[in-house]
Amino acid sequence: DAKTTQPTSMDCAEGRAANLPCNHSTISGNEYVYWYRQIHSQGPQYIIHGLKNNETNEMASLIITEDRKSSTLILPHATLRDTAVYYCIVIGISGGYQKVTFGTGTKLQVIP
Amino acid sequence: GAVVSQHPSRVICKSGTSVKIECRSLDFQATTMFWYRQFPKQSLMLMATSNEGSKATYEQGVEKDKFLINHASLTLSTLTVTSAHPEDSSFYICSAGGQDNSPLHFGNGTRLTVT
Repeated sequence: DAKTTQPTSMDCAEGRAANLPCNHSTISGNEYVYWYRQIHSQGPQYIIHGLKNNETNEMASLIITEDRKSSTLILPHATLRDTAVYYCIVIGISGGYQKVTFGTGTKLQVIP
Repeated sequence: GAVVSQHPSRVICKSGTSVKIECRSLDFQATTMFWYRQFPKQSLMLMATSNEGSKATYEQGVEKDKFLINHASLTLSTLTVTSAHPEDSSFYICSAGGQDNSPLHFGNGTRLTVT
């Protein structure tokens, strides 16, 4: 099963890009990388996901290395509202059901 | 988009009583439900994985007789904290998934306080 590791915390200046790394060196071929964020005392919010190609949406970009052993979530222009805990999650299918591996999360503090 | 409804959002109970938390998928079939616990200033911790119609699989260190999980339908899973104690006070969150690699959908959590 894939295991994910993330830095415990990061700071980012408001208006700058926030780059949040995640290692998932044991990811298997059919497992996707997902990113969620959790603001205090709420359920995690979906941000973006990908398999092997880089992805971009209105919230963020996801860069996945060619060997898929790591990925980086990029918030292009961080705002104070982006202060949250960001989780890198690997989701695959096993026996017809979803199997989820959670990272420990990175607490991102956006500084004015 | 898909929505997961978790109820109640807050509950206070006395030590020794049992509390049931519901997690409903509102517009999709949740073949898999996940239950998490989160203590203050800590990460989400997966407690158990429940596939519809099967017994839940518990993570190491989680007592299956204390945290009863039922997932009898594709839209409802329940977590019952039996004989609750103050140390069970925590934030409990569910998430629901389908049979593919589509995103997990999370509930908004239940704040349990045991007095």
